[in-house]
Amino acid sequence: GAVVSQHPSRVICKSGTSVKIECRSLDFQATTMFWYRQFPKQSLMLMATSNEGSKATYEQGVEKDKFLINHASLTLSTLTVASAHPEDSSFYICSANPIPGMFQETQYFGPGTRLLVL
Amino acid sequence: AQSVTQPDIHITVSEGASLELRCNYSYGATPYLFWYVQSPGQGLQLLLKYFSGDTLVQGIKGFEAEFKRSQSSFNLRKPSVHWSDAAEYFCAVGAQTGFQKLVFGTGTRLLVSP
Repeated sequence: GAVVSQHPSRVICKSGTSVKIECRSLDFQATTMFWYRQFPKQSLMLMATSNEGSKATYEQGVEKDKFLINHASLTLSTLTVASAHPEDSSFYICSANPIPGMFQETQYFGPGTRLLVL
Repeated sequence: AQSVTQPDIHITVSEGASLELRCNYSYGATPYLFWYVQSPGQGLQLLLKYFSGDTLVQGIKGFEAEFKRSQSSFNLRKPSVHWSDAAEYFCAVGAQTGFQKLVFGTGTRLLVSP
């Protein structure tokens, strides 16, 4: 149980295009999902907290107009990288907290999406 | 704000030898503590977690960790390492409030030699 999927697993795009990444909780519902970014051989940096039915909360320094987050349902959050540039190339990982309740104990992580912008 | 330090960037252990990965945290209240493992190009898998109670926590794959409040540490241990344990290990701390935001350490890469 507690499986999180991401799609696509890998994407290559041209500079200036937009890329959408999906994060789904397959066997549980999640009011809260998180988006992380990981550079090669570095740790995960939280980008934003995605809340179902409301606006995402972005961490300091993350451009909300560049990284658009939509938490459409209790099992789906999407991250759209708008007008991607080579510096946006990275490994993007989502995680989800199962409900019920607000104080959850464990985040379950997706397998990640590798984005390469040419 | 919470923070996590993993002082060892790389560790090499012989197969069958014991392992200890260090993790120190900074947080003003009682933290939630986690260890995750990441294989190359993969997401994170939860090894174990500590919320309260017994300070020695057992996890999957034969791992355990001990919470020491006086030392602000949550070191990960395994008595006998297998070649398949080679991976990146992340310690993380979460606040016991709100939406469970996690702060990760920089990770320790474990190499297992024959």
